[in-house]
Amino acid sequence: AQKVTQAQTEISVVEKEDVTLDCVYETRDTTYYLFWYKQPPSGELVFLIRRNSFDEQNEISGRYSWNFQKSTSSFNFTITASQVVDSAVYFCALTLFGNEKLTFGTGTRLTIIP
Amino acid sequence: KAGVTQTPRYLIKTRGQQVTLSCSPISGHRSVSWYQQTPGQGLQFLFEYFSETQRNKGNFPGRFSGRQFSNSRSEMNVSTLELGDSALYLCASSSAGTGWRGTDTQYFGPGTRLTVL
Repeated sequence: AQKVTQAQTEISVVEKEDVTLDCVYETRDTTYYLFWYKQPPSGELVFLIRRNSFDEQNEISGRYSWNFQKSTSSFNFTITASQVVDSAVYFCALTLFGNEKLTFGTGTRLTIIP
Repeated sequence: KAGVTQTPRYLIKTRGQQVTLSCSPISGHRSVSWYQQTPGQGLQFLFEYFSETQRNKGNFPGRFSGRQFSNSRSEMNVSTLELGDSALYLCASSSAGTGWRGTDTQYFGPGTRLTVL
């Protein structure tokens, strides 16, 4: 069975600070996909990024960056120069190759203080 | 393209009643999945439909059922509602297809918030 752990339940930072959200996953499969979703107060899950298990290249998209390390089974997410609009609950998720079932972590509630 | 739409957005029912939730996927998407989100259990997978067939199922009782129509729209039904069924029900669609056993990104709708009294 797959498992995703987000140990940080809540994080609060002052606007413009950098913040990293941790995600650790467990799976015995060698082919899988990892995702990050953002859930603002409206409730809709917004897709942020997807990585497959063969691609450990880190990615930067604007103020967002992701660090995928298979050696530690981690897929961490960093927001640089945080803004109030980044306040939301962030979910890390995993799915196996050929499967649409997402296994989610428990989420990290991020609050950006103006 | 329009996103995933779900109706209704809010619903209040009483114990023992049944409820039907509707989901229209992104145009061209043929896979529709349903998830339940509660404060206690988090986000849990209910089932996935592709080409009107249930392709995958989570660990929920038989009171939870679904179906998909030829236009890829999907409905889920919960019979004999219990207080614990109060949750946000999220629908997601992807373009994953038959014979292609990769995994595509799932895009979520705004959800239906069900309250059972």
